[in-house]
Amino acid sequence: EIVMTQSPATLSVSPGERATLSCRASQSVSSNLAWYQQKPGQAPRLLIYGASTRATGIPARFSGSGSGTAFTLTISSLQSEDFAIYYCQQYNNWPRTFGQGTKVEIK
Amino acid sequence: EVQLLESGGGLVQPGGSLRLSCAASGFTFSNYAITWVRQAPGKGLEWVAGISGSDDSTNYADSVKGRFTISRDNSKNTLYLQMNSLRAEDTAVYYCAKCSGYYNIEYFQYWGQGTLVSVSS
Repeated sequence: EIVMTQSPATLSVSPGERATLSCRASQSVSSNLAWYQQKPGQAPRLLIYGASTRATGIPARFSGSGSGTAFTLTISSLQSEDFAIYYCQQYNNWPRTFGQGTKVEIK
Repeated sequence: EVQLLESGGGLVQPGGSLRLSCAASGFTFSNYAITWVRQAPGKGLEWVAGISGSDDSTNYADSVKGRFTISRDNSKNTLYLQMNSLRAEDTAVYYCAKCSGYYNIEYFQYWGQGTLVSVSS
């Protein structure tokens, strides 16, 4: 099973600042990597797939990069609605696995 | 608009059974693979099982293999998860999610709001 490790566990950021989230895979997943956002009491929402392609309706301030084992989600200028938990997920191997999440909180 | 509505959750004793349903609308159900993902209270996301559009290919997490069965009825636009031999560690919110394509269970485009399963005596 591929283990996905996200860092940091919690990221404290001021509104308007840039946030950089990291996701590492225990072995290569090529570009088969997705990112999701989850707010309290809500279902996850797809942000990025294919490591760097924004899903429908996702603002341009969200961007993804990386391939192989190292990936990054960048939020260029944090808005109030962006404070949430973010998960990465690989779909290169079975079983599909998620990272443990990074909580982005208001500084 | 894509909508997924889960139902069937509740409280069940260890060793018991439960069947979850996910009613889909807003897209051609039979054209897409669908999956179940769960989230234990206060924890992260865990992929559980997935099924192709035609129902001829299924995959399971090792943690549920042999106990859970995923199925679909394309005539009713409904996905199911039959859960047997339930354990306390199966306690979670169960989400159904629409995949991006017909056959491959890759990433999850749209999610339902989830249904809570609690396993306790």
